[in-house]
Amino acid sequence: QKEVEQNSGPLSVPEGAIASLNCTYSDRGSQSFFWYRQYSGKSPELIMFIYSNGDKEDGRFTAQLNKASQYVSLLIRDSQPSDSATYLCAVIDAGGFKTIFGAGTRLFVKA
Amino acid sequence: NAGVTQTPKFRILKIGQSMTLQCAQDMNHNYMYWYRQDPGMGLKLIYYSVGAGITDKGEVPNGYNVSRSTTEDFPLRLELAAPSQTSVYFCASSKALAGADTQYFGPGTRLTVL
Repeated sequence: QKEVEQNSGPLSVPEGAIASLNCTYSDRGSQSFFWYRQYSGKSPELIMFIYSNGDKEDGRFTAQLNKASQYVSLLIRDSQPSDSATYLCAVIDAGGFKTIFGAGTRLFVKA
Repeated sequence: NAGVTQTPKFRILKIGQSMTLQCAQDMNHNYMYWYRQDPGMGLKLIYYSVGAGITDKGEVPNGYNVSRSTTEDFPLRLELAAPSQTSVYFCASSKALAGADTQYFGPGTRLTVL
């Protein structure tokens, strides 16, 4: 059973701080990794994707991937109350067709 | 572009009833997916399609059926609804393989089986 594990939270950070969200996965053959944001009652929307080991930055967001440790993380700098949401880690299986989602981490950014 | 649309938004079914959840996309995407999301959980893949006429099972296909007769539409059929199928159902589409492209999600259908 392929699994993606996330700390369910809630993770609470003050406005302006760095929020760090972590994810581990079990399928060593996975090649593609995505972070989605989901507001309460809404559908997921893509934040970042990463394919290679190392860091990838996009604005206030940085995704980090370590395939040897089977670990993916998302850093949100200068956190804003509007960042309060559930963040879903998604891992694509080795075949490239199937997406395995983690249960998500709830983030609260306090003003 | 409307993107990915789903109907209905909400539905209450009695145990044993059947229904079809509709999904349509106007982005000419080849790949389409059905997920369910239980409260406090991530999404679980039910079925996916790589093009018209081609479908395959995901993680949790039991109790569901799909068809893909056109590029645009990917309906999900529930036969003999059970309380365990109470969930929010999301349809998604992507231009390329899930591993190479973002998935665009519809607004979801909230289904309750009583």
